[in-house]
Amino acid sequence: GAVVSQHPSWVICKSGTSVKIECRSLDFQATTMFWYRQFPKQSLMLMATSNEGSKATYEQGVEKDKFLINHASLTLSTLTVTSAHPEDSSFYICSASVGDLADTQYFGPGTRLTVL
Amino acid sequence: QKEVEQDPGPLSVPEGAIVSLNCTYSNSAFQYFMWYRQYSRKGPELLMYTYSSGNKEDGRFTAQVDKSSKYISLFIRDSQPSDSATYLCAMSGSLNTNAGKSTFGDGTTLTVKP
Repeated sequence: GAVVSQHPSWVICKSGTSVKIECRSLDFQATTMFWYRQFPKQSLMLMATSNEGSKATYEQGVEKDKFLINHASLTLSTLTVTSAHPEDSSFYICSASVGDLADTQYFGPGTRLTVL
Repeated sequence: QKEVEQDPGPLSVPEGAIVSLNCTYSNSAFQYFMWYRQYSRKGPELLMYTYSSGNKEDGRFTAQVDKSSKYISLFIRDSQPSDSATYLCAMSGSLNTNAGKSTFGDGTTLTVKP
């Protein structure tokens, strides 16, 4: 089956530093990748939609200058949390999609970010 | 009010029990209804999705959609300890709405005790 990986799986950083999270589709090319944030006991909140070679589309309320998304190829997207603060601590999940329907979307295992 | 409300749980049942997980929604434009399973510290995996009203069965899992009541359910028969996870419902609009933009419920945490 289709596999999406994320790296790192967890990261701890100091306040004010930047953290980069990678999302890779390992055995397929994804037309679109999505980035979500999930706080404990809460639902997935879509942050942005990214297509290879074009600028990401951010959801309302998500700061594009703080959460930088680069989609360099059909198999790799990165999310950089710039000048991280403790309130950015969360579980960040990416997904990769080859179509519009739910059964064409595959989620990564997530990255746990803790900002001290 | 949230567009999707999910029974928060947590839910604890003995092995072999029938489990019912439920979500209600307010947006009548939703057409596709999904159920995801999420193990602790992992990303969600799609269990089932249905279009419009009706039932869909896959092994021990049955998804039901009642659009008139804006209510969806996931039933798990003969529950197993390996079913212990958080279950998320999700919904999206027309066919042209990418699944990635689905609206998710907050999840129900299920524990199946041996």
